[in-house]
Amino acid sequence: GQQLNQSPQSMFIQEGEDVSMNCTSSSIFNTWLWYKQDPGEGPVLLIALYKAGELTSNGRLTAQFGITRKDSFLNISASIPSDVGIYFCAGLYPETSGSRLTFGEGTQLTVNP
Amino acid sequence: GAVVSQHPSRVICKSGTSVKIECRSLDFQATTMFWYRQFPKQSLMLMATSNEGSKATYEQGVEKDKFLINHASLTLSTLTVTSAHPEDSSFYICSAPDRSVYEQYFGPGTRLTVT
Repeated sequence: GQQLNQSPQSMFIQEGEDVSMNCTSSSIFNTWLWYKQDPGEGPVLLIALYKAGELTSNGRLTAQFGITRKDSFLNISASIPSDVGIYFCAGLYPETSGSRLTFGEGTQLTVNP
Repeated sequence: GAVVSQHPSRVICKSGTSVKIECRSLDFQATTMFWYRQFPKQSLMLMATSNEGSKATYEQGVEKDKFLINHASLTLSTLTVTSAHPEDSSFYICSAPDRSVYEQYFGPGTRLTVT
């Protein structure tokens, strides 16, 4: 099925550094969701965005819903070792797909202490 | 946020047997739930949409007779892998949307190993 273009695929950073990842799509979405998945676990919702241009924070995480409604980014500031995991973006357009999410391919984040 | 549970968290079964995985929304009702399959280091692949009180909708290429889905109540959906084979070994995850806020919550996943 359709997937979002998520980049980068992987990142290796030092503890304390900031991280940025983004997702782009050829289709517009009404909702963008960012998830984190730890090994052997299900994805956990980090941030939900509902309006174009919206900028939302959750602790050290900040995400924005792009003005064109076709992209979103997630920033993590001052990374710590427990930030390690796979981050997925997901888009939702209920009018055409109900509650079906379209996922990005994931960004594998490694944080070196 | 809302909570979705899955049971069992991991299961090992022999080839030819069937395995049932349960997905429950614990603090909200879900008329729709989704079942995903995930291979190592890959994104989630949607298998089917479970609809309360009606038949599930399967994605292209997913065998509905092999992956039986039942959504008997507003808080429970089950996925039964019938006549399991080693190639069915995977991580299966369910999710449920909380329609009031258009957010979707995932279960913790079920690791299936078929020997």
